[in-house]
Amino acid sequence: EVQLLESGGGLVQPGGSLRLSCTASGFTSSSHAMSWVRQAPGKGLEWVSVISGSGGTTYYADSVKGRFTISRDNSKSTLYLLLNSLRGEDTAVYYCAEHVSTWSTFDYWGQGTLVTVSS
Amino acid sequence: QSVLTQPPSASGTPGQRVTISCSGSSSNIGSNTVSWYQQLPGTAPKFLIYSNHHRPSGVPDRFSGSKSGTSASLAISGLQSEDEADYYCAVWDDSLPGPVFGGGTKLTVL
Repeated sequence: EVQLLESGGGLVQPGGSLRLSCTASGFTSSSHAMSWVRQAPGKGLEWVSVISGSGGTTYYADSVKGRFTISRDNSKSTLYLLLNSLRGEDTAVYYCAEHVSTWSTFDYWGQGTLVTVSS
Repeated sequence: QSVLTQPPSASGTPGQRVTISCSGSSSNIGSNTVSWYQQLPGTAPKFLIYSNHHRPSGVPDRFSGSKSGTSASLAISGLQSEDEADYYCAVWDDSLPGPVFGGGTKLTVL
């Protein structure tokens, strides 16, 4: 079984930055792509970004392109999301998820970390 | 507004069969496989269905998926009170590119 544990969320002012981390343990593989998915309060799921197993390929949702950066350190089994130029609409629970087969099949999920953007 | 359209709500009584639809287009459902997720209140989403109709180990066979053209469906038979949750479809969209989620359907067990 794979366990994913996010950390790094918190309260940040508009325009500020934050770095989220997601540490994987259990039967995980560095060859699997991983994503960040967010959920604003009372809203649905929104995919944010995906990174390939090697880290060489990344994609972003238009809503975060140019502001967020996804990366991974396979030696530490850790996924990151750097959030810059934060806005109120970025307030959400951020989940990391692992893709075992296709990049649109989210096989394993973390418990989420809350990011609140407010002055 | 999501690229994939789901009804905002659905309901049924215990023991009934309910179906939740997910409508897309040729760039997503029409050319890629669909997965489904269950999100119980206050918890992270749980993986239910992959490749249109396959169930991961541990998911009861009361849950089934199907796809036809640019639409997909999730069916839940023998409805139970613990099935009350939000349900989301997801698929890769070639035009983005990236995965997209449906807006979600809140299932109420009456």
